[in-house]
Amino acid sequence: KQEVTQIPAALSVPEGENLVLNCSFTDSAIYNLQWFRQDPGKGLTSLLLIQSSQREQTSGRLNASLDKSSGRSTLYIAASQPGDSATYLCAVRSTGANSKLTFGKGITLSVRP
Amino acid sequence: NAGVMQNPRHLVRRRGQEARLRCSPMKGHSHVYWYRQLPEEGLKFMVYLQKENIIDESGMPKERFSAEFPKEGPSILRIQQVVRGDSAAYFCASSPMGQELRGPQHFGDGTRLSIL
Repeated sequence: KQEVTQIPAALSVPEGENLVLNCSFTDSAIYNLQWFRQDPGKGLTSLLLIQSSQREQTSGRLNASLDKSSGRSTLYIAASQPGDSATYLCAVRSTGANSKLTFGKGITLSVRP
Repeated sequence: NAGVMQNPRHLVRRRGQEARLRCSPMKGHSHVYWYRQLPEEGLKFMVYLQKENIIDESGMPKERFSAEFPKEGPSILRIQQVVRGDSAAYFCASSPMGQELRGPQHFGDGTRLSIL
């Protein structure tokens, strides 16, 4: 059974800092991994999708990496801004599990001005 | 292109009543997924549907919950005889045919269900 872990649960950093959010999963048999952003009381916004054959994906100040064999992914945020404050979720799509996503509990990021 | 549309955004029900949650997928998407987010918990998969078919309902509680995605109209998640423990945010996601394994899932803004 796939399990996704995101530690720590919360993180507070000063504005301008580069930061790394971690995600680990127990079963490396995955199709892909997706990072989302969730603002309080809102839905999920897809940030990046990394296929199992890829090592990383970039979008603006965001870079996500994937090490499938070790069951790890990181989301790197460059030059953090207060507007980056949100909960960041990672989710994996496992092979043999239809196409459902298994989510971590998320990391709540607060960027202080 | 309109995104995934869920309604209502907020729903209040008394214990024992029925709750109906609606989801209209993105245009051209034929796969719908329902997830539930309980307070202080991550999102949990409930059910995966294609038009007129339930593909995977392994995450659905065995009683009181049902889902459908008819040929015409939105997908409906129905909860009968609601209890306080059903209070949660319910999210719908969609993906197009052929991208259900490799493509991204697109999420709606959710329905916040509160049981009095």
